[in-house]
Amino acid sequence: EVQLVESGGGLVQPGGSLRLSCAASGFTFNDHYMDWVRQAPGKGLEWVGRIRNKANSYTTEYAASVKGRFTISRDDSKNSLFLQMNSLKTEDTAVYYCARSPTAHGYFDYWGQGTLVTVSS
Amino acid sequence: DIQMTQSPSILSASVGDRVTITCRASQSISSWLAWYQQKPGKAPNLLIYKASSLESGVPSRFSGSGSGTEFTLTISSLQPDDFATYYCQQYNSYSLTFGGGTKVEIK
Repeated sequence: EVQLVESGGGLVQPGGSLRLSCAASGFTFNDHYMDWVRQAPGKGLEWVGRIRNKANSYTTEYAASVKGRFTISRDDSKNSLFLQMNSLKTEDTAVYYCARSPTAHGYFDYWGQGTLVTVSS
Repeated sequence: DIQMTQSPSILSASVGDRVTITCRASQSISSWLAWYQQKPGKAPNLLIYKASSLESGVPSRFSGSGSGTEFTLTISSLQPDDFATYYCQQYNSYSLTFGGGTKVEIK
């Protein structure tokens, strides 16, 4: 059974940093592209970014709203995905989901349960 | 970025109704479109990919159509479990973008 479990969310002050993790199981993690998607309270879905697999040099893509502040990485030896968030703003407050792409295409067939990040003073 | 516009934003319907949700892209995305269902407090669930391909395990009452800039999600006979919010998403180009969502509520 495919499972994605996020952790690391919490309350952080504006300008602060936070690192989210996503533990994957039930599939061959290193074959897949992985993404982060967020959802502000009561709002719609917003794609944050993706990291490709080793075969594609672990290259990354980011939404303009987070580029230069957020960094996605992965550790295939630990079946783990990470999101390092720096210079956080109040508008980054959201539930953050990790999601798996079944192919190189950019849709998502499995999602984690999400972890809440609150940026507030 | 490609903008995705869904309509309506809220849809009131009854069990057994045929329901159609529309998603329009600001430029052509070929068939690179997915549809998701989301229930309150839960992660989204993939229904349709490549505009019309039904994800494994998704009931056949869900169907998708369209290409280019206009797409539809149809529920042929609405069931109690289908009351939820639905999102379209384009994956033709980065940034990947979602529609604003359509909430299907009980009439």
